[in-house]
Amino acid sequence: EDKVVQSPLSLVVHEGDTVTLNCSYEVTNFRSLLWYKQEKKAPTFLFMLTSSGIEKKSGRLSSILDKKELFSILNITATQTGDSAVYLCAVYNAGNNRKLIWGLGTSLAVNP
Amino acid sequence: GAVVSQHPSRVICKSGTSVKIECRSLDFQATTMFWYRQFPKKSLMLMATSNEGSKATYEQGVEKDKFLINHASLTLSTLTVTSAHPEDSSFYICSAEPPSGFSYNEQFFGPGTRLTVL
Repeated sequence: EDKVVQSPLSLVVHEGDTVTLNCSYEVTNFRSLLWYKQEKKAPTFLFMLTSSGIEKKSGRLSSILDKKELFSILNITATQTGDSAVYLCAVYNAGNNRKLIWGLGTSLAVNP
Repeated sequence: GAVVSQHPSRVICKSGTSVKIECRSLDFQATTMFWYRQFPKKSLMLMATSNEGSKATYEQGVEKDKFLINHASLTLSTLTVTSAHPEDSSFYICSAEPPSGFSYNEQFFGPGTRLTVL
């Protein structure tokens, strides 16, 4: 059965800290791995990763995928209170019933 | 580009009534849309995959007669919660799959609809 596991489930840090969020997966017909940020509304897209070893970067956020070891990390440097959110990892199964397989998310709280 | 709207954003209804939620892809055609449900502090749960011009594919445990999905055009899918009860109260989110060739995202999400059944 397909599964996506995120760790830690929750994290509390101080502003300025660097955090690393983990996502491991076992998904058949892998096509891509996606990271989303969710605050009070629907998830907002952060990154889509398809190739191993190529870092995607957007400001203080970056992410990388390891297709051999079946995991991805999301790094946030110099965290700010506005980074407080749930970060969701999803893997796209491109089989006959194509769909995103979701992790449970990591709840990040950044304290001033 | 690639904007998905959802309407209404919030609805409160009485038990026993039916509620329709619309999901529209505003600037692209989506042959496939997805409907999710999310409980507080939980991850997204896929309810069904909606394909334009054909019947929706429901996930195991989701009642198709309870949650009616219609994907009548390439830009519109609707979810109707029939005879809603308080346990149907939840956050419902739709997403649309962009045409092949989009290289940077698999699904674009609507803003969600918060349903409260009294």
